[in-house]
Amino acid sequence: DAKTTQPPSMDCAEGRAANLPCNHSTISGNEYVYWYRQIHSQGPQYIIHGLKNNETNEMASLIITEDRKSSTLILPHATLRDTAVYYCIVRVRRNTDKLIFGTGTRLQVFP
Amino acid sequence: DADVTQTPRNRITKTGKRIMLECSQTKGHDRMYWYRQDPGLGLQLIYYSFDVKDINKGEISDGYSVSRQAQAKFSLSLESAIPNQTALYFCATSDLRTGGTLLAGYNEQFFGPGTRLTVL
Repeated sequence: DAKTTQPPSMDCAEGRAANLPCNHSTISGNEYVYWYRQIHSQGPQYIIHGLKNNETNEMASLIITEDRKSSTLILPHATLRDTAVYYCIVRVRRNTDKLIFGTGTRLQVFP
Repeated sequence: DADVTQTPRNRITKTGKRIMLECSQTKGHDRMYWYRQDPGLGLQLIYYSFDVKDINKGEISDGYSVSRQAQAKFSLSLESAIPNQTALYFCATSDLRTGGTLLAGYNEQFFGPGTRLTVL
């Protein structure tokens, strides 16, 4: 599975959009980009995933560059409850569905 | 997620003791996983199971064993606990789903609340 690189921490004002970047320059054609988040020692929570098209759901949007070497998770209107560690994971869709977590980005949303 | 439960939630034990952590799920998923998380780090996969008869080692299986007693239950054992096994342990489940095309499939893992284990 491709390695990902994320900034260790970011801040965002409440109500503003939070844009969390992820580099995955060694991604292969059949590898998906997944995002999970972990709120203070709770179990991680799935947010969104994508292959090459931009994706949106009720939680966030995922923008994947055309060359697929990087992506951005967008929380359109960050709230204090979005303060968490966000993990970008690149995973091959095959029978072994292991998630390889890095150290993630710690997002702090402030009032 | 209340559909995935872990017991105990907290445990303090001594070096050399045998410890069992239990995970139960009501989601009807075939796949279950055990992860550990050390402070400030991401999760590392210990073991995973795709069904009752299928058990696989993850990245850091040494010092651990598992038992898949039923589809809904997956237990993690530390045969002889040591202090560097002090960590937060998470159980997770998933159910591979496929969409309309070969590449549309994905799975989402659902995590339990975690067990905080301290080995003195």
